[in-house]
Amino acid sequence: AQTVTQSQPEMSVQEAETVTLSCTYDTSENNYYLFWYKQPPSRQMILVIRQEAYKQQNATENRFSVNFQKAAKSFSLKISDSQLGDTAMYFCAFMKRESGANNLFFGTGTRLTVIP
Amino acid sequence: EPEVTQTPSHQVTQMGQEVILRCVPISNHLYFYWYRQILGQKVEFLVSFYNNEISEKSEIFDDQFSVERPDGSNFTLKIRSTKLEDSAMYFCATNKRGGQGDTQYFGPGTRLTVL
Repeated sequence: AQTVTQSQPEMSVQEAETVTLSCTYDTSENNYYLFWYKQPPSRQMILVIRQEAYKQQNATENRFSVNFQKAAKSFSLKISDSQLGDTAMYFCAFMKRESGANNLFFGTGTRLTVIP
Repeated sequence: EPEVTQTPSHQVTQMGQEVILRCVPISNHLYFYWYRQILGQKVEFLVSFYNNEISEKSEIFDDQFSVERPDGSNFTLKIRSTKLEDSAMYFCATNKRGGQGDTQYFGPGTRLTVL
């Protein structure tokens, strides 16, 4: 079974500053994907970034980047130049890499508040 | 940009009533999923669906739940006899290639309130 742990229930950051959200996971799988989803107050689930476990290079998407440490089973999200619109719940998620339908396993989320 | 849509956005029902939640997947997507999020809690997997049959289901997805794709476009989740604890956001998600690294795209969710 897969588990995803987010140990920071809430975080805050000043606008324009950088913040890092933590995520660890436990799995016996070797091939998998990791995701960060953002859930603003509208409660829509929006993909922020994804990482393939077989790639050593950390994924980046504009102001968002990850620090993927496969041996440590750690997958943190760094948000640079934080903006007010980044205020949301952030969920880390895991998905096995195999054929067929594979569901996401989510962490409990981190509520991020960007302070003006 | 294509997106997943869900209706209704909010459903209020009495305990014991049947509800049907609807999802319209992105047109070339083949794998469909339902997730549930009880207020303040994490998102939990309910069921996955491919080729007109259930691929996998969680322990939450008991006999009160069913899914189908009746007309080749809508993907529905039915709860036969709602309970108070079914109150939650229900998200539909879809992707093209299942577990082969394909990102799941979520709909905006249906907020179900059981009174």
